Amino acid sequence: DADVTQTPRNRITKTGKRIMLECSQTKGHDRMYWYRQDPGLGLRLIYYSFDVKDINKGEISDGYSVSRQAQAKFSLSLESAIPNQTALYFCATSDPGLAGVETQYFGPGTRLLVL
Amino acid sequence: KQEVTQIPAALSVPEGENLVLNCSFTDSAIYNLQWFRQDPGKGLTSLLLIQSSQREQTSGRLNASLDKSSGRSTLYIAASQPGDSATYLCAVTDSWGKLQFGAGTQVVVTP
Repeated sequence: DADVTQTPRNRITKTGKRIMLECSQTKGHDRMYWYRQDPGLGLRLIYYSFDVKDINKGEISDGYSVSRQAQAKFSLSLESAIPNQTALYFCATSDPGLAGVETQYFGPGTRLLVL
Repeated sequence: KQEVTQIPAALSVPEGENLVLNCSFTDSAIYNLQWFRQDPGKGLTSLLLIQSSQREQTSGRLNASLDKSSGRSTLYIAASQPGDSATYLCAVTDSWGKLQFGAGTQVVVTP
């Protein structure tokens, strides 16, 4: 089984709808992240959480909210979806470990289309 | 604000040729630099991580160099194979453990 899973894998929704993307991990990591990827652009950080009680905005948090339900679960919500939120969304986890050697483990991504 | 650039955006080579992928960053105050591989329908996989104090890392046919002072990293893939076809992303890590990604280089290796 994959260490980081995302549901759904694909989603089509209409403008104005509220949707939730879910992420679960079995790696036991405290740190979790949500990114979006647009064609021709790198991944951009939406929100990140360093533990269950710690939630931080990333580079592009407007229009999004998150919930860290447990160490293993981190959900991303679009309160009122708009077409320019059409993108590929990735969840990731990491373990600080030794300073300078932290790497992130990514889920398979959720492809979202907002009509 | 850190900016990460990857050139070229796309690259096509015949099987057996060596691949050279470039990454540049504007702020040299990084904790490490990573190279990732992205396959369609799958998440990113970390290939190599170079700590800020290191000059290079090697794994099999992959070698990555880091020159912090000039803000550059290069990923070399020796004797390319069709299975190397993918998008390669570089990312720098800041002091909080957050990644800043480049847009990626899409590689096609033709048989």
